[in-house]
Amino acid sequence: KQEVTQIPAALSVPEGENLVLNCSFTDSAIYNLQWFRQDPGKGLTSLLLIQSSQREQTSGRLNASLDKSSGRSTLYIAASQPGDSATYLCAVRRGGLSGGYNKLIFGAGTRLAVHP
Amino acid sequence: NAGVTQTPKFQVLKTGQSMTLQCAQDMNHEYMSWYRQDPGMGLRLIHYSVGAGITDQGEVPNGYNVSRSTTEDFPLRLLSAAPSQTSVYFCASSRKGGGLLETQYFGPGTRLLVL
Repeated sequence: KQEVTQIPAALSVPEGENLVLNCSFTDSAIYNLQWFRQDPGKGLTSLLLIQSSQREQTSGRLNASLDKSSGRSTLYIAASQPGDSATYLCAVRRGGLSGGYNKLIFGAGTRLAVHP
Repeated sequence: NAGVTQTPKFQVLKTGQSMTLQCAQDMNHEYMSWYRQDPGMGLRLIHYSVGAGITDQGEVPNGYNVSRSTTEDFPLRLLSAAPSQTSVYFCASSRKGGGLLETQYFGPGTRLLVL
């Protein structure tokens, strides 16, 4: 059974720091991995999607890497800002036919606070 | 585009009551799904649909029903509410197909309290 773990559960950093959020999964047979951002009382916003054949994806100050063999992904946030404060969740899609429904298994998230 | 919309935003029910959580999307997405989010846990899939008239169970389907009569709407029904169903419910949609098309779009959520 696929399990997704995110460590740490919470993180508080001063503004300007570069930081890394970790995601690990138990079954390496994944189709893709997604990172989401969730603001308090709001829904999830997709940040990055990495296909199983890719090693990393970048969007602005965000960089996500994927190492399938070790069952790990990291989300790197450069020059953090108070506006980055949110909960970050990772989710993996199980391997299988690309035409099938994209069931996601979520981690519990890392709650990030960036203080001025 | 409004994206994915959910109503109501907040609901209080008594044990045994029934209700329907509404979800609609205006992006013509084939796939729609319902998740619940509980404290300290990741989102868990309740039911999903790959197109109008087609639904299937996720990880935690017991106590919930769904139907999909149109591409746009995917309501979630609680048949007889129980305190264990107190949670935040999210609806999501995505395109059919691989690659970046699989990016899921989430609604703002419905916070449900069952007394």
